[in-house]
Amino acid sequence: DAGITQSPRYKITETGRQVTLMCHQTWSHSYMFWYRQDLGHGLRLIYYSAAADITDKGEVPDGYVVSRSKTENFPLTLESATRSQTSVYFCASSEVGAGSYEQYFGPGTRLTVT
Amino acid sequence: GESVGLHLPTLSVQEGDNSIINCAYSNSASDYFIWYKQESGKGPQFIIDIRSNMDKRQGQRVTVLLNKTVKHLSLQIAATQPGDSAVYFCAPYSGGYQKVTFGIGTKLQVIP
Repeated sequence: DAGITQSPRYKITETGRQVTLMCHQTWSHSYMFWYRQDLGHGLRLIYYSAAADITDKGEVPDGYVVSRSKTENFPLTLESATRSQTSVYFCASSEVGAGSYEQYFGPGTRLTVT
Repeated sequence: GESVGLHLPTLSVQEGDNSIINCAYSNSASDYFIWYKQESGKGPQFIIDIRSNMDKRQGQRVTVLLNKTVKHLSLQIAATQPGDSAVYFCAPYSGGYQKVTFGIGTKLQVIP
């Protein structure tokens, strides 16, 4: 089905472990984003990508790594997970055009770091 | 940096009544605004947008009002339905995706 998907939907990992969250979109949107959502905070941008092989830091990039070798995929890796990275992570995509900045969000991944 | 706040973190309305959700923003350079709806356990979903050269924009059962003078947005939902129960937040843009600030959100509870 067309759209934006995230996997896994739920993940429990231990402190210090590496974990990768996957994001896949079928629209061939140029832009892709990773956000985290925590209680008391709005969505905060971790990393974004304007096109394949082009990525840039957002507001809270420390502890995270991204790559974008293909337009449709934008994985987010926590190299050494910490408890402070327990959060709900949302991937989004968007296409520049017609003056709209509408972003299409995935269903989210709830990550718990123990 | 941008700060975005909401006047009412929780709003309870009777089914069929109109709802008004408010959003204050601080960056006067914000020139584009989106309202998103987020249902429990789901990602945010676009509702309506408005540019800074507009004061009002209407969609299906929703109206967004923009007052640039006091840096305030409101989202009006007509004839609120149970399916409108969600968290609503505004997102002011001031120069591209990396400069959007998402508010904390207002939880709308519809009382049947």
